[in-house]
Amino acid sequence: KQEVTQIPAALSVPEGENLVLNCSFTDSAIYNLQWFRQDPGKGLTSLLLIQSSQREQTSGRLNASLDKSSGRSTLYIAASQPGDSATYLCAVKAAGNKLTFGGGTRVLVKP
Amino acid sequence: DVKVTQSSRYLVKRTGEKVFLECVQDMDHENMFWYRQDPGLGLRLIYFSYDVKMKEKGDIPEGYSVSREKKERFSLILESASTNQTSMYLCASSLQQGAAYNSPLHFGNGTRLTVT
Repeated sequence: KQEVTQIPAALSVPEGENLVLNCSFTDSAIYNLQWFRQDPGKGLTSLLLIQSSQREQTSGRLNASLDKSSGRSTLYIAASQPGDSATYLCAVKAAGNKLTFGGGTRVLVKP
Repeated sequence: DVKVTQSSRYLVKRTGEKVFLECVQDMDHENMFWYRQDPGLGLRLIYFSYDVKMKEKGDIPEGYSVSREKKERFSLILESASTNQTSMYLCASSLQQGAAYNSPLHFGNGTRLTVT
């Protein structure tokens, strides 16, 4: 059974610092990995999707890498801003079109 | 932009009531999903649907049922609400299975349900 872990559960950084968020998964037979952002009391917003054949994906200040063999993905957010404060979740898609979610990392960017 | 709309942001219901949670998407997506999100337990899949009138159980279907009479609408039904069904309920949609292996999942804003 696929298990997805995000460590740490919470992270606090000063504004301007680069953020590094980790996601690990136990079964490397995945179709893709997706990163989401969730603001308090809201739904999830899709940030980046990395296909299993890709090594990384970029969107603005966000860069996500994928290493299937080691079961890891990293989300980098450059030059963090207070508006980046949110919970970030990763999810992997395997056979059966099901997503398995990690528990999320709660990020606070202090002005 | 894809829009997934959940009809209620907050609901308060009594134990034993039948509860309907509605979700509508406007991008002609074949796949629709219902999750619940609880502190410490993360997101758990309740039911999903690949097509009209089609449904499949997720990881925690007990106490729930679903209805998909039209492609754009996916309803979650709590047959007899219980206090342990107090939770945040999230609806999501994505493109059909063939393309959906690399199609992002789009979520609604959630319905916070309290059962008293």
